[in-house]
Amino acid sequence: ELKVEQNPLFLSMQEGKNYTIYCNYSTTSDRLYWYRQDPGKSLESLFVLLSNGAVKQEGRLMASLDTKARLSTLHITAAVHDLSATYFCAGGQGGSEKLVFGKGTKLTVNP
Amino acid sequence: DTAVSQTPKYLVTQMGNDKSIKCEQNLGHDTMYWYKQDSKKFLKIMFSYNNKELIINETVPNRFSPKSPDKAHLNLHINSLELGDSAVYFCASSPRDRGYNEQFFGPGTRLTVL
Repeated sequence: ELKVEQNPLFLSMQEGKNYTIYCNYSTTSDRLYWYRQDPGKSLESLFVLLSNGAVKQEGRLMASLDTKARLSTLHITAAVHDLSATYFCAGGQGGSEKLVFGKGTKLTVNP
Repeated sequence: DTAVSQTPKYLVTQMGNDKSIKCEQNLGHDTMYWYKQDSKKFLKIMFSYNNKELIINETVPNRFSPKSPDKAHLNLHINSLELGDSAVYFCASSPRDRGYNEQFFGPGTRLTVL
C-alpha cells in the first residue's frame, strides 16, 4: 500500500530565504499532487505532477518529481509571509481514485 | 460560482445523536469523495463515489453511511456520534476523464461532538 512521508513537518523560515519540502513515497505512484491549506480553510490544488522529471512553477513555488527516487520536492524561493500555510503532498496509484496524503508541512514565514 | 459546497460549515452536537453533512458540486465532475481531517491535520479518505456508485470504502465505522442521490451530490450521514468523530470533514470532486483525478475540495464541515 502506498505510503507518503513529508519532511519537515514544521518549517519556520525568514522572508527572503529559500527552502525545500520533501515528499517521499513508498511504492510506484503515477501521479503526485501538492496542495496548500490556510488555517481554517479548504485545500487548494497547487501542482499535479504526472511523469518522471516533471517540473512545474507558480510564482515562488516550484515542484518537481523524480519517480526513480520516489521523491517530489516543493522548493520555495525568496519566501514571503503570504506563503505561510500547510502544504500537503499526495500520491495516487494506477486506476484507483484514491489519494494518499502526507502529514503536511506547516510553513511559517517570519518577517 | 462553480465550486464544491458543503453544509453546514459548523456542526456542534451531543454524543449519541445522528447528523448529516451535505455536499454539492457544480463542476460537472463524475467522482466525489469524503475525507476526514483530524486535530493533527492528518487527511484520510473515507469514501468515494463515481456517478452514484461506491468505489472506495475505507475502514470506517459503519455508523458512517454515504449516499449519492446523483453525481452532483454526496451526503454523509453519521449515526450515534462519538467524541472521536470530532474533526473537519471535507468533500471533494474530480473529473474522471482526465486520467489523473485532480481533486477539488469543499470548504469543510467542522464537527464537534460534546
